[in-house]
Amino acid sequence: GQQVMQIPQYQHVQEGEDFTTYCNSSTTLSNIQWYKQRPGGHPVFLIQLVKSGEVKKQKRLTFQFGEAKKNSSLHITATQTTDVGTYFCAVSGAGSYQLTFGKGTKLSVIP
Amino acid sequence: GAVVSQHPSWVICKSGTSVKIECRSLDFQATTMFWYRQFPKQSLMLMATSNEGSKATYEQGVEKDKFLINHASLTLSTLTVTSAHPEDSSFYICSARDGPGAYQPQHFGDGTRLSIL
Repeated sequence: GQQVMQIPQYQHVQEGEDFTTYCNSSTTLSNIQWYKQRPGGHPVFLIQLVKSGEVKKQKRLTFQFGEAKKNSSLHITATQTTDVGTYFCAVSGAGSYQLTFGKGTKLSVIP
Repeated sequence: GAVVSQHPSWVICKSGTSVKIECRSLDFQATTMFWYRQFPKQSLMLMATSNEGSKATYEQGVEKDKFLINHASLTLSTLTVTSAHPEDSSFYICSARDGPGAYQPQHFGDGTRLSIL
């Protein structure tokens, strides 16, 4: 099945600092989705990227899809305590509707 | 919109008991639902894809006789953990897509925390 590596596994930041998580695949992806899971909660869909080199923004969150469609990043500017949680990327290969989730990056924000 | 309800939220039962978990799409029809298992501090592992009106597709290593999936309607899929043992204790979570396209996002239920004593 589709493989995706997500780094880092954990990130502790001071409130106000920036945060970035990366996902990498050895194969070309048809799309990539990002989800956020709060502690004790369920994953919530954030965004989907489909086009090569695509950049999308949601307030302080910036999502990028690599030109080769093999990697993606999620960047949070000036983190807040409400950003705490685990961020997962999820990918599907060409012709597949199944998602393979990365291991996730757990973000802790120190007030 | 796109709400998925999962029930029950918590189950604690004795070893050997069979446990049924329900996953419902409340405001949309879902021809395909997915069942995941998540261990503490780990990612979601796809167990099976539940297809309305047909047999589920199980991932490699998942025992289909152990984890029975039924998708009898466009809004309901059930996962039954048969003769559960302590090693089956985990967080089980379902999801559904609210459209037919492969690129549709998945909407997750709240999950079921299963503890087998």
